[in-house]
Amino acid sequence: DGGITQSPKYLFRKEGQNVTLSCEQNLNHDAMYWYRQDPGQGLRLIYYSQIVNDFQKGDIAEGYSVSREKKESFPLTVTSAQKNPTAFYLCASSALGGSTDTQYFGPGTRLTVL
Amino acid sequence: ILNVEQSPQSLHVQEGDSTNFTCSFPSSNFYALHWYRWETAKSPEALFVMTLNGDEKKKGRISATLNTKEGYSYLYIKGSQPEDSATYLCAFPSGSARQLTFGSGTQLTVLP
Repeated sequence: DGGITQSPKYLFRKEGQNVTLSCEQNLNHDAMYWYRQDPGQGLRLIYYSQIVNDFQKGDIAEGYSVSREKKESFPLTVTSAQKNPTAFYLCASSALGGSTDTQYFGPGTRLTVL
Repeated sequence: ILNVEQSPQSLHVQEGDSTNFTCSFPSSNFYALHWYRWETAKSPEALFVMTLNGDEKKKGRISATLNTKEGYSYLYIKGSQPEDSATYLCAFPSGSARQLTFGSGTQLTVLP
């Protein structure tokens, strides 16, 4: 089955800890994205990558870091510098990252900071 | 940050009713307008990508129209069914890399 997987589904973190969210795709897509959703808000872009070994900050990158060492993988690290990390995180991919490309989403990870 | 607005925020309709909701976006520098459906406990899935002024797209009972000159798109659902219950998101590519900016969505509940 082609698609995007995210793990874990639920994640709990103590304050002050870094945590890494996994995102893998087997769609052979060049572009990958990380979004954050908070109640009552739309999806907000954290980071995106249009090619291996390159990534760009989105609208709310502070306190997050990413890597893109392989085409199929785009992990997101939520660092202790992120002030309000509790949220739902969605990973997506698209074929080339163009403005008309459909994005395909993973099932999401819900992060809770205790 | 670009403003993409959706209205209403939420909507309850009876099964069989037709309904519509709105996405407003900046009318300058238009590239495309995306619609996604996000059902509870599932991933968002694409409905339409609209690119031309006056465009109308249809998928079963769901259709969408686009007015790029005035900066809005309507999504219509004819004869709503309980399985249409979902949050409907629109998204507008913007910025130098034309990444998607999402609206906050319209949450539709269809009552049986």
